[in-house]
Amino acid sequence: NAGVMQNPRHLVRRRGQEARLRCSPMKGHSHVYWYRQLPEEGLKFMVYLQKENIIDESGMPKERFSAEFPKEGPSILRIQQVVRGDSAAYFCASSPPGKAGAEQFFGPGTRLTVL
Amino acid sequence: AQTVTQSQPEMSVQEAETVTLSCTYDTSESDYYLFWYKQPPSRQMILVIRQEAYKQQNATENRFSVNFQKAAKSFSLKISDSQLGDAAMYFCALEYSGAGSYQLTFGKGTKLSVIP
Repeated sequence: NAGVMQNPRHLVRRRGQEARLRCSPMKGHSHVYWYRQLPEEGLKFMVYLQKENIIDESGMPKERFSAEFPKEGPSILRIQQVVRGDSAAYFCASSPPGKAGAEQFFGPGTRLTVL
Repeated sequence: AQTVTQSQPEMSVQEAETVTLSCTYDTSESDYYLFWYKQPPSRQMILVIRQEAYKQQNATENRFSVNFQKAAKSFSLKISDSQLGDAAMYFCALEYSGAGSYQLTFGKGTKLSVIP
């Protein structure tokens, strides 16, 4: 059973460009979470999605950031018009459906660098 | 709102010795879950141990155990017989799922070094 997959592992963008980060959850997992880790910091929750639904986006910046988890295909975190402050590691996690306290399985992360 | 505090930015331990990492948290809820995650240099987050707040018994996983003090809102991690592979960042995290979201709130982490 493959783990959570994220691609690309490293992404370099110039200011003003768009960044698309992809996450394929573990087989059988229908819950996806996105977290951001700034240097020397812990992970900060961004958004929680189920298939075709955004459940909790309380950690998402109001502008430029969006996320989706379509019926088919990976979850996508999209950052429009990137700025240097968006440089961070972005982690995706997945869990089985509907169980409080379930382990969240993390992907290897995407390190975004904005030049 | 939930907060998690790790007051030790860095710790070191001699190989084969025991070390305890501290974590305190704040929540107004009575039903929640606590986790310790390990992040080695590869940056892959790995679950070390979890604790249900409604359970008084401290969780253990091989060389890893916790001291969960609910009244004090403290959740420390003890690593026994430390090994070189234990060197990593350790993050304490809290999940409150009462609002239908299972988001984790993380502390800032403790960097553990293991001295041969």
